[in-house]
Amino acid sequence: QVQLVQSGTEVKKPGASVKISCRASGYTFTTHYIHWARQAPGQGLEWMAIINPDGGGTSYAQSFQGRVTVTRDTSTSTVDMEVSRLRSEDTAIYYCARGVVESAHDYIDYWGQGTLVTVSS
Amino acid sequence: DIQMTQSPSSLSASVGDRVTITCRASQSISHYLNWYQQKPGGAPKLLVFGASILQSGVPSRINGSGSGTDFTLTISSLQPEDFATYYCQQSYSGRTFGQGTKVEIK
Repeated sequence: QVQLVQSGTEVKKPGASVKISCRASGYTFTTHYIHWARQAPGQGLEWMAIINPDGGGTSYAQSFQGRVTVTRDTSTSTVDMEVSRLRSEDTAIYYCARGVVESAHDYIDYWGQGTLVTVSS
Repeated sequence: DIQMTQSPSSLSASVGDRVTITCRASQSISHYLNWYQQKPGGAPKLLVFGASILQSGVPSRINGSGSGTDFTLTISSLQPEDFATYYCQQSYSGRTFGQGTKVEIK
């Protein structure tokens, strides 16, 4: 079965960086995109980025351009997301999710369990 | 960027009620609209993709419709397991989520 397993809780100070991992299993890693989204406490979902594991091409939401970097390792079926210059507003649960991108449809069908990142001095 | 606006932000309803949630895009997104359900403490779950296609395993009381800029998610007869927050998401240009609609028990 499809599984996306994320790395554990992180606590960081303002100005630091954080790297979150997402390991995929149960399907061929290079056949599906991986998205990243986040959810601040009590707030809605915010889409951040997407990577095509087949080639490594990425796209980022404008609000995260230059501060977020997504990479993949096909040998371990893992996608990493690094967020730099953290501020308190980055405190959130970060999710990776599997994307289906076809000519007529584009959606997310599986989600990781989420990784809580707390930014506090 | 395409903005997605859901209404209402929250609603109270009873088991058996018909519930409708709307989602409006700031520009035409054709049928590139998906709906997700999220329960407290859990990850979102895909309900509908392509505006109207029910994901496998999702009960038929859930229906999605619309195209262009205006979309709706309808639950024909609300069940206890349907109390949750619902999000629309466009995938026409980049990806954007709506702000969510919380469905609470009346």
